[in-house]
Parts: sequence; structure tokens; C-alpha cells
Amino acid sequence: DAMVIQNPRYQVTQFGKPVTLSCSQTLNHNVMYWYQQKSSQAPKLLFHYYDKDFNNEADTPDNFQSRRPNTSFCFLDIRSPGLGDAAMYLCATRSFLQVSGETQYFGPGTRLLVL
Amino acid sequence: LAKTTQPISMDSYEGQEVNITCSHNNIATNDYITWYQQFPSQGPRFIIQGYKTKVTNEVASLFIPADRKSSTLSLPRVSLSDTAVYYCLVAPSGSARQLTFGSGTQLTVLP
Repeated sequence: DAMVIQNPRYQVTQFGKPVTLSCSQTLNHNVMYWYQQKSSQAPKLLFHYYDKDFNNEADTPDNFQSRRPNTSFCFLDIRSPGLGDAAMYLCATRSFLQVSGETQYFGPGTRLLVL
Repeated sequence: LAKTTQPISMDSYEGQEVNITCSHNNIATNDYITWYQQFPSQGPRFIIQGYKTKVTNEVASLFIPADRKSSTLSLPRVSLSDTAVYYCLVAPSGSARQLTFGSGTQLTVLP
């Protein structure tokens, strides 16, 4: 089945040690998003790619970066994770080829733990 | 950017119909309304989407009044497995930006 895949589902890193989270999609959607979701909070948009164009939210810390080497893959890099970066990270895709174009498809998320 | 307001939590019993209302007073002409369901430790899942009047699918109905300043998600005959957080999202058609989630409604279905 076409889907959004996130690996790993759980990631443990050390304070200050760079970490990369991965997202892939088989939907061939042109937009990919990264969200951060902390416990009992709504997902918070970090940035998105529209094709190859990177769009950063104004309040996303510089510590968070992203790469999209091709349509199928998108990576979230956290350069120096702090304890406050422990959260669920959600990847989502969206296609403007759909009639309405508003539906996002989410991956299962990667839960990041910072020790 | 249309801000959404939802009740923080709701309780219901199995077999009842549940209606969750979302307020979006400054919705723009080209904004669509989408509802997502999220279980713990999972990504949000699309439930239903609409622009005006009524939309129905196999899972839910979405009612949108003429002024579009609110919308109501209706879940018929809920079961325990419908216990989840429900998010209302308002975003413009044709733009990848501004997909910001509101605070969500925690629905708890009781036996």
C-alpha cells in the first residue's frame, strides 16, 4: 500500500549529539512536512518542502534542519539535541494534484528521547 | 491564518452520536476545513474534509453553516475505539503553508 514511512519509530540520542530522522513516501506527493509534537500538545509545524523549495516556519529553531534529496525522501536533522527536543516527530505529505489538495497523509512518527 | 477553537475534551457513551464543533471566525474564502483523528503514539489520520454545507463519508459527517465560521464533526454511534484526539484544521486551497493544528478535542468514549 502507498504510505508514509518513518524510521526509526523510536530514537534515543545523547544531549548534544546530532541525530537524523528519516521519512519516505510512496505517494509521489510533491509536498512534505515535518511536525514536532510534545506530550498532550497539538502537532507544531517546523517546515515543509514544496518540491525542492524549502519553507521554514518563523519560530523553528536553527538547531533543526531538513534535507529532501528526491521526491520520496525527506530528513530531519537536529544538530545539537537538547532535553527540550524530546518529542514525537511527524512527517506528512500532500499533493496539489488532488481536486481539493488539502489532505495530508501522516507517517506513524518517530519518538525521540534525549538523554 | 484562520485560528480554530475546539472544546478541550468531551465524554460520551458507546452507541451515542457525538458532535464536536470547531470555531473558525476568520476563515477565508479559499479555506477548506479538515478533521483529523489521532490515537496515542500514532500520526494523525484524515477523517473528513469540506468547504460548505454537508459532507458525509463512511466514518463521519461534517456540517458547515452558510457563514462557514464554524464546523461540526459528527460521529454516529461511537465505540470505545473512537477514543482519540480530534483536530480541526483550516487551511487555504492551493497553498502548502499555514497548515497549523488547533489544540484538539480529547474524546473519551465510556462503556
